[in-house]
Amino acid sequence: DAGVIQSPRHEVTEMGQEVTLRCKPISGHNSLFWYRQTMMRGLELLIYFNNNVPIDDSGMPEDRFSAKMPNASFSTLKIQPSEPRDSAVYFCASSLLAGGGDTQYFGPGTRLTVL
Amino acid sequence: GENVEQHPSTLSVQEGDSAVIKCTYSDSASNYFPWYKQELGKRPQLIIDIRSNVGEKKDQRIAVTLNKTAKHFSLHITETQPEDSAVYFCAASKGGGTASKLTFGTGTRLQVTL
Repeated sequence: DAGVIQSPRHEVTEMGQEVTLRCKPISGHNSLFWYRQTMMRGLELLIYFNNNVPIDDSGMPEDRFSAKMPNASFSTLKIQPSEPRDSAVYFCASSLLAGGGDTQYFGPGTRLTVL
Repeated sequence: GENVEQHPSTLSVQEGDSAVIKCTYSDSASNYFPWYKQELGKRPQLIIDIRSNVGEKKDQRIAVTLNKTAKHFSLHITETQPEDSAVYFCAASKGGGTASKLTFGTGTRLQVTL
C-alpha cells in the first residue's frame, strides 16, 4: 500500500493567492483528517470526514479555509486568500474505523510558506 | 471537549537510560490512547496504543500504562538509543459513533545523548 498521499509536498505562494492542498487516503479507509502543525500551536485538527461527510470543522480557523471530500479517495483543503500566518505544515491522515479508536496514518505533509 | 496535557515538554537522557513521558486527559469517556513519534521533518507515526480495557501494553523497549481512575497514561522507553530522539505525542479519543477525532498533547522533545 502506498500510504496516505499528499500533494504538493512544498508550496510557496504570495499573500492573497489561493492555495489548494490535496490528499489521497489509504484505500478502504473511511475517515480522513486534516491537521495543521506549527511550532507555536502544535498539532491542530482542522476538520475530519467520515464516509466523505464532514463531521467536525470546529478547528477550521476562519472562512478563508474550506475542505471537501468529493469521493472516498480524494480530499482538498483550500485557503483563499492565503496569509503569512497560514504558513505551516499541513498533514492529512486516514483511518479505517469511522467510529473512532483506530490508528490514524499520516501523510508526508505539505509545507506551506506564504510570503 | 477533551483536553490532553503532556509533560515534560523536553527530556534529555543518556543512552541506555529510561525515559518516561506522562499525559493526563479530562474526558472520562475517552477510551483510546495512542502515542506517536515524529522525527525531524517527518510525519507523526504510531508507535504504540492502548485501549481502556487494558492497563499496560508492551512492545519491545516501549510500554504504555493507563490509569483510568486517575485519567492519566504514560509512555516508558527503556534502554534508550540515539534513534529514539524525536518528538513524542500522546493523544486520546472516544470510540463509537462519529466521535473519532484524536486530541493531541503538546509533545515532548526527547534527546538521547551519547
